Amino acid sequence: SQQGEEDPQALSIQEGENATMNCSYKTSINNLQWYRQNSGRGLVHLILIRSNEREKHSGRLRVTLDTSKKSSSLLITASRAADTASYFCATDGIYNQGGKLIFGQGTELSVKP
Amino acid sequence: NAGVTQTPKFQVLKTGQSMTLQCAQDMNHEYMSWYRQDPGMGLRLIHYSVGAGITDQGEVPNGYNVSRSTTEDFPLRLLSAAPSQTSVYFCASRPPLGAGGFYEQYFGPGTRLTVT
Repeated sequence: SQQGEEDPQALSIQEGENATMNCSYKTSINNLQWYRQNSGRGLVHLILIRSNEREKHSGRLRVTLDTSKKSSSLLITASRAADTASYFCATDGIYNQGGKLIFGQGTELSVKP
Repeated sequence: NAGVTQTPKFQVLKTGQSMTLQCAQDMNHEYMSWYRQDPGMGLRLIHYSVGAGITDQGEVPNGYNVSRSTTEDFPLRLLSAAPSQTSVYFCASRPPLGAGGFYEQYFGPGTRLTVT
């Protein structure tokens, strides 16, 4: 079964607005990662947050992690049309052998100019 | 570095045919994995390898074989293709645990496979 569940499945916003995507997971983790996928392309790593961290920033990205609720959120501030893509959370569970990642179903973000 | 490369980019097979999807990386990564991506399903792990000669099953291994004879290459074999294997296949690699990296995975561009 998949570890991560994301919502919303699809999000449409105007350029300049903020976009928030949420991820919930089921078991204890070492870290949680967010990836972006442009249409027809492979996934690109955005940011990683460790289980002992609560918040992390990278440019216009802000990730939070609540291990008590087993949830994470990705905030993209001042969105641009180029942010249009699918975003996936992936968990590295503490019981995973070899550090394999389990991906959520993704949030499809559309940013309109 | 070329990163993670996959061939072919597109493939059409008939039911029952076999083929091998190629994956190679030039970053000396120990860990490699194969995922399939289907609409509404996200990415599901098929097989993975923590080093040459070591492979293990992921979530959806049935109908697929892998081997890892070198650090660089991790081919995925479809033994007898079925329409249910129509999907986009991604190969990924990452540095070994404890190497000081952050365990992010590097993905190839994908192979789009259609089985008729």
